Amino acid sequence: GAGVSQSPSNKVTEKGKDVELRCDPISGHTALYWYRQSLGQGLEFLIYFQGNSAPDKSGLPSDRFSAERTGGSVSTLTIQRTQQEDSAVYLCASSLSGTENTEAFFGQGTRLTVV
Amino acid sequence: AQRVTQPEKLLSVFKGAPVELKCNYSYSGSPELFWYVQYSRQRLQLLLRHISRESIKGFTADLNKGETSFHLKKPFAQEEDSAMYYCALRRYTGGFKTIFGAGTRLFVKA
Repeated sequence: GAGVSQSPSNKVTEKGKDVELRCDPISGHTALYWYRQSLGQGLEFLIYFQGNSAPDKSGLPSDRFSAERTGGSVSTLTIQRTQQEDSAVYLCASSLSGTENTEAFFGQGTRLTVV
Repeated sequence: AQRVTQPEKLLSVFKGAPVELKCNYSYSGSPELFWYVQYSRQRLQLLLRHISRESIKGFTADLNKGETSFHLKKPFAQEEDSAMYYCALRRYTGGFKTIFGAGTRLFVKA
């Protein structure tokens, strides 16, 4: 498809389990972002990729969180040993990197529920 | 440090009333500023960008470099404007990176 695609759209997991969230950006978009949106809260920045490298990981809340991007395309956000406070909607966005004034395009999000 | 501040988490107005959603930024360079909107059960999407100086759905936003502000305004709010609004700053750091404010939820009452 032409837009940013995230999978799964919903994920329910037991506390302590690991989860992987996937993001397929728009083809040709070199910049990729992960954000977290907790209930009633705004966007919390997690990590930013430029190509396959992550120049800014400052938003990852703990070492249980990691992300990678391969081939300058698909990205996976992994949460190990999930906790209930990890429950949120995880949003991925992509944008053209070398062009001025282009916007970020968002996926529909993955709603993670840790029980 | 670069930062985007939206001081109001919630803004409630009556239909037909003017609305202003505040956004202040801190950035030493020339900013690229955007407003994004998220309607209920829809994905986050671009509303407008400062460079275009456009009016989208009756909304406008003017960049005030002196006050480092980019407030979003609409003279007559409609119920369908109820949504979450995010102000965003795009800057270069080894590639362009977008920083979002915390968001303001606009509720337009009938």
